[in-house]
Amino acid sequence: GESVGLHLPTLSVQEGDNSIINCAYSNSASDYFIWYKQESGKGPQFIIDIRSNMDKRQGQRVTVLLNKTVKHLSLQIAATQPGDSAVYFCAENIRKTSYDKVIFGPGTSLSVIP
Amino acid sequence: NAGVTQTPKFQVLKTGQSMTLQCAQDMNHNSMYWYRQDPGMGLRLIYYSASEGTTDKGEVPNGYNVSRLNKREFSLRLESAAPSQTSVYFCASGLRASTDTQYFGPGTRLTVL
Repeated sequence: GESVGLHLPTLSVQEGDNSIINCAYSNSASDYFIWYKQESGKGPQFIIDIRSNMDKRQGQRVTVLLNKTVKHLSLQIAATQPGDSAVYFCAENIRKTSYDKVIFGPGTSLSVIP
Repeated sequence: NAGVTQTPKFQVLKTGQSMTLQCAQDMNHNSMYWYRQDPGMGLRLIYYSASEGTTDKGEVPNGYNVSRLNKREFSLRLESAAPSQTSVYFCASGLRASTDTQYFGPGTRLTVL
């Protein structure tokens, strides 16, 4: 079936270290992937996206890597800061007949240790 | 710009009661969405509206109805609330109905007793 899942439900990193959050997806027809950050009590916030014709995209302190061969997506956060503590969701966009379905993974909770 | 706003922030209902969750966006976006978020389930799409005047079912539409009142507003109605509808509800908007970033509101935490 369709699913977007995360390998690790929780991740703790030391402030200043790099963080890597992983995501597996199952639908090879997915053409667009997004990472969202959700802080406690708030709605998800867009971080970075990548289309299926790319394998890497960089933003400010964040990099998304896409490996279509093994259907794997990762989010790398450089020099992790306390403000990065949140739940991170990956999402994939799947073309359906009536709409483009966005499937969200269950999320990974990132805790930054000062 | 306020972005996406939702009211109320919190609501407690008894089984069988009805209520409407309100959502508005001021970004001139065409598409709007309603999701529910449950622990360990991620976000699941309830209904969406690709443009003003159109609405379509998402992944989990049963027990809900929606109205796209105008380009800015998209409401979600529970006609007869059930405990299974206890969840956090998020409204989102985007420029296009597909392959586009969605901007989320702060959420409504609903408890059905």
